[in-house]
Amino acid sequence: GENVEQHPSTLSVQEGDSAVIKCTYSDSASNYFPWYKQELGKGPQLIIDIRSNVGEKKDQRIAVTLNKTAKHFSLHITETQPEDSAVYFCAASGNTPLVFGKGTRLSVIA
Amino acid sequence: ETGVTQTPRHLVMGMTNKKSLKCEQHLGHNAMYWYKQSAKKPLELMFVYNFKEQTENNSVPSRFSPECPNSSHLFLHLHTLQPEDSALYLCASSQAPLLAVYEQYFGPGTRLTVT
Repeated sequence: GENVEQHPSTLSVQEGDSAVIKCTYSDSASNYFPWYKQELGKGPQLIIDIRSNVGEKKDQRIAVTLNKTAKHFSLHITETQPEDSAVYFCAASGNTPLVFGKGTRLSVIA
Repeated sequence: ETGVTQTPRHLVMGMTNKKSLKCEQHLGHNAMYWYKQSAKKPLELMFVYNFKEQTENNSVPSRFSPECPNSSHLFLHLHTLQPEDSALYLCASSQAPLLAVYEQYFGPGTRLTVT
């Protein structure tokens, strides 16, 4: 079955800097890669996703890149703000239920 | 607000109690999911319902019993739980039948503590 590894587990950045979170997956049949943001006391919120026919997708300050050959995908957050502080999860799926990474706790220091 | 609501938000129960968690989605989806979220572990998929039919049961102990009376409502019935069952229980929904290829939306979760 699918296995998703996520790094780093914690990340601290200064406000205004960029943050990058990386995930690798094992199943070459996976074709859908969402990213979720979970704030304290809330459920995970879908913030961006990418499908295997696309290499990069942007939405304002966040972007996701996908390298199918290497089986890895990354989340990029530019101009970080204190409200970006949360736990971020990557996931992968190929017509099967999503398999999640263990999460990255991002702290943006003002 | 994602359109998926869960009640109660917090629950404390003894090991001999019976309680139920409720989830409702207002998104017109037809697939619903239960997940368990424990500290320092990945999200664990417990059950999947697709058009009210259970399509996935990830070796969940029988002390957890799901029920899906229609595509908008999902319940998780709990009985004789163990302290290690304490966790955040998350409900999610999506379009079906391709399940996870469609965007999945989560509720806020029920924080369960078993004493």
